[in-house]
Amino acid sequence: AQSVTQLDSQVPVFEEAPVELRCNYSSSVSVYLFWYVQYPNQGLQLLLKYLSGSTLVKGINGFEAEFNKSQTSFHLRKPSVHISDTAEYFCAVSDNSNYQLIWGAGTKLIIKP
Amino acid sequence: GAGVSQSPSNKVTEKGKDVELRCDPISGHTALYWYRQSLGQGLEFLIYFQGNSAPDKSGLPSDRFSAERTGGSVSTLTIQRTQQEDSAVYLCASTRGTSETYEQYFGPGTRLTVT
Repeated sequence: AQSVTQLDSQVPVFEEAPVELRCNYSSSVSVYLFWYVQYPNQGLQLLLKYLSGSTLVKGINGFEAEFNKSQTSFHLRKPSVHISDTAEYFCAVSDNSNYQLIWGAGTKLIIKP
Repeated sequence: GAGVSQSPSNKVTEKGKDVELRCDPISGHTALYWYRQSLGQGLEFLIYFQGNSAPDKSGLPSDRFSAERTGGSVSTLTIQRTQQEDSAVYLCASTRGTSETYEQYFGPGTRLTVT
């Protein structure tokens, strides 16, 4: 069965510093990969997705992620964070055989002024 | 246009009572999901509706949980005889259909507290 591991439950970082949120998955088949963001008191929204093609995917708000098949990773990065990036970030994976997403436990991004 | 809406936003109930949570998906979206998000956990799939097909109930944790989707639109998640372990945020999501099931649009959730 597929699983998704987000190694860090919380990541504190200073404003304007770079950040990387880590995501690893276990799957022996081709997968689709997603990052969703949940701002305080809001629902989740799609940040970016990898379905095929270029392994470097750009999303909203300056975020990007790189699919690394050999390391089964899909880490999320931003070169310079802003206070408005304070949120919880969820990694999710699906193979294309069904409609379900398997979710990581989430990483809280805490921006320090 | 309007997004996915859920009501109530917060619900406090006593152990043993029944609760109903409502989800209004985006108009025209044929697929609808219910998830449960417990503190510090990822999203736990509960149930999936697609059009007029039989729902996938494989994620419902017990027979106290049930869900309906009337007219292919609004959905209600019912929890009977609530227990303290049912306390969580219940999220609803919808998608355009089977070809786009990955881009799920989420509602703000209902925070359920069972005392």
